[in-house]
Amino acid sequence: GDSVTQMEGPVTLSEEAFLTINCTYTATGYPSLFWYVQYPGEGLQLLLKATKADDKGSNKGFEATYRKETTSFHLEKGSVQVSDSAVYFCALSDFNDYKLSFGAGTTVTVRA
Amino acid sequence: NAGVTQTPKFQVLKTGQSMTLQCAQDMNHEYMSWYRQDPGMGLRLIHYSVGAGITDQGEVPNGYNVSRSTTEDFPLRLLSAAPSQTSVYFCASSSRGTGSHNEQFFGPGTRLTVL
Repeated sequence: GDSVTQMEGPVTLSEEAFLTINCTYTATGYPSLFWYVQYPGEGLQLLLKATKADDKGSNKGFEATYRKETTSFHLEKGSVQVSDSAVYFCALSDFNDYKLSFGAGTTVTVRA
Repeated sequence: NAGVTQTPKFQVLKTGQSMTLQCAQDMNHEYMSWYRQDPGMGLRLIHYSVGAGITDQGEVPNGYNVSRSTTEDFPLRLLSAAPSQTSVYFCASSSRGTGSHNEQFFGPGTRLTVL
């Protein structure tokens, strides 16, 4: 079945550092790929998505590129802020399916 | 719009008790689902529904029941609570639209402890 593997962390960074969180996937079809973010005490919210190979999703300074050849969707941000402290989840849904398969989540803490 | 709402926010149960976690959305979304979040395991799908009157099992359905009598509501019932059901529960919804491309909107979660 479909699955997502992501770097578990925790990751601790200083403000303005570069952040990368690795995510790889296994899927039989042509999945859509997502990054969700969970801020402390809140539910998940969509950060960015990509629906086909070579698509780049971007939002709030975060980027991720759908790489079919390496089955990866790594999340990057060039300069993190304290407000980026959160848990980040990589997820996929198979073509024309609503169900999401999630990675384990990566806790990111940014120190001032 | 309130989005996706969940009640209660916190709940403590004793083993063997039953309860219902409430979920409602006001976005007229066809698709609704329940996930549980456990440390180191991400979110796992419990049950989902693609419309009123239609429900199906997800990855971890045992010990849970659902029904979907209206578009807005999708309650999750724990039949006989067990300590293994201690978790944070999230409800989510999305529009049917183009299927897998659609964003799922999550509620704030219910933190359940079973003693």
